[in-house]
Amino acid sequence: QKEVEQNSGPLSVPEGAIASLNCTYSDRGSQSFFWYRQYSGKSPELIMFIYSNGDKEDGRFTAQLNKASQYVSLLIRDSQPSDSATYLCAVCMYSGGGADGLTFGKGTHLIIQP
Amino acid sequence: ETGVTQTPRHLVMGMTNKKSLKCEQHLGHNAMYWYKQSAKKPLELMFVYSLEERVENNSVPSRFSPECPNSSHLFLHLHTLQPEDSALYLCASSQEQGPRPNEQFFGPGTRLTVL
Repeated sequence: QKEVEQNSGPLSVPEGAIASLNCTYSDRGSQSFFWYRQYSGKSPELIMFIYSNGDKEDGRFTAQLNKASQYVSLLIRDSQPSDSATYLCAVCMYSGGGADGLTFGKGTHLIIQP
Repeated sequence: ETGVTQTPRHLVMGMTNKKSLKCEQHLGHNAMYWYKQSAKKPLELMFVYSLEERVENNSVPSRFSPECPNSSHLFLHLHTLQPEDSALYLCASSQEQGPRPNEQFFGPGTRLTVL
């Protein structure tokens, strides 16, 4: 049974600080990893993906992957009130070559306090 | 229109009704997906279509019947649903075997209520 675990929160972070979101996964065969942001009443929006161990930066967002520890994280620098949302971690078993569904965590509810 | 669209956005149906959800992607992708999002549960994969062929059926009850007539359109036919089927149904698409595989883009969803 493939599982993705996230702390449901809420995680409260002051505006301008770094928000750190964590995710662990059970399937060692997982190859690609995604972070989605979901505002209340809206559909998930892809904000980051990572395939290799290490860090990947995109603007204020940094995704970190440690396959040995089966751990993925998302850092949001200079947090803004507009970053308040639920962040979903998703994993996929294959890195490519076919269409594969994603396994999602329940999400972490992030609140940025002005 | 751009991206992934879904209709209707809201649907209320009785347990004996038959209805269909529609999804259309305008991204030139060749894979499409149905997911179910219920309160306090993670997004659940229902069906995967690749090049119009179903490649995965995640133990979904037969009262849900998918159809993919071409790579741009995906339907979910509903019949004799139960109240516990009330949820947000999300469609997604991706480009298979591209430089960013499995990167899935979601539509706005259909909020389904079964009475």
